[in-house]
Amino acid sequence: DAGVTQSPTHLIKTRGQQVTLRCSPKSGHDTVSWYQQALGQGPQFIFQYYEEEERQRGNFPDRFSGHQFPNYSSELNVNALLLGDSALYLCASSLVSTGEAFFGQGTRLTVV
Amino acid sequence: GESVGLHLPTLSVQEGDNSIINCAYSNSASDYFIWYKQESGKGPQFIIDIRSNMDKRQGQRVTVLLNKTVKHLSLQIAATQPGDSAVYFCASDNTGTASKLTFGTGTRLQVTL
Repeated sequence: DAGVTQSPTHLIKTRGQQVTLRCSPKSGHDTVSWYQQALGQGPQFIFQYYEEEERQRGNFPDRFSGHQFPNYSSELNVNALLLGDSALYLCASSLVSTGEAFFGQGTRLTVV
Repeated sequence: GESVGLHLPTLSVQEGDNSIINCAYSNSASDYFIWYKQESGKGPQFIIDIRSNMDKRQGQRVTVLLNKTVKHLSLQIAATQPGDSAVYFCASDNTGTASKLTFGTGTRLQVTL
């Protein structure tokens, strides 16, 4: 049983560009949440998707958007990249009814 | 707002000793707590969770204690092993599930031989 998988593992982008990160949840999970983890910090909640809709959102600007597909996989899009967007982006999946979020390995985004 | 903080950024213990990692949270509405272990270059790995209607929960070599009165959480690791070396995060949520976790900055556990 595959756990949470994310792609790509590493990515380098230029300021002003746009990026799309992808996440496949653990089998049987219906909820996907995205987190941003700056170096040396704890993860910060970006948003959560359930039933293809954004259910909760953290304190991130509208440049951060997402999508969930019918198969529960999800994408995180970031527009107009800033140097400060450089971080490890983590996807977590869970069952809406039980919690116990499981994380993927993350995508390391570097903005230059 | 809600914040979760850790008392010590680095904890060094000898192999075989017990480790205790502490965490304070500020939101009294928090009702679900999780401890994660994160090794270098990897995503957080679920260790153990506890809900606010409990004050203690045990897993394999790990115990989580919750003191709601002082809003304090601790993770105890018995017989610490070199493989336990990692950064440990506590996280909290006020929805009863892990739908919007608030993480602390982490404690680095170093196990010495």
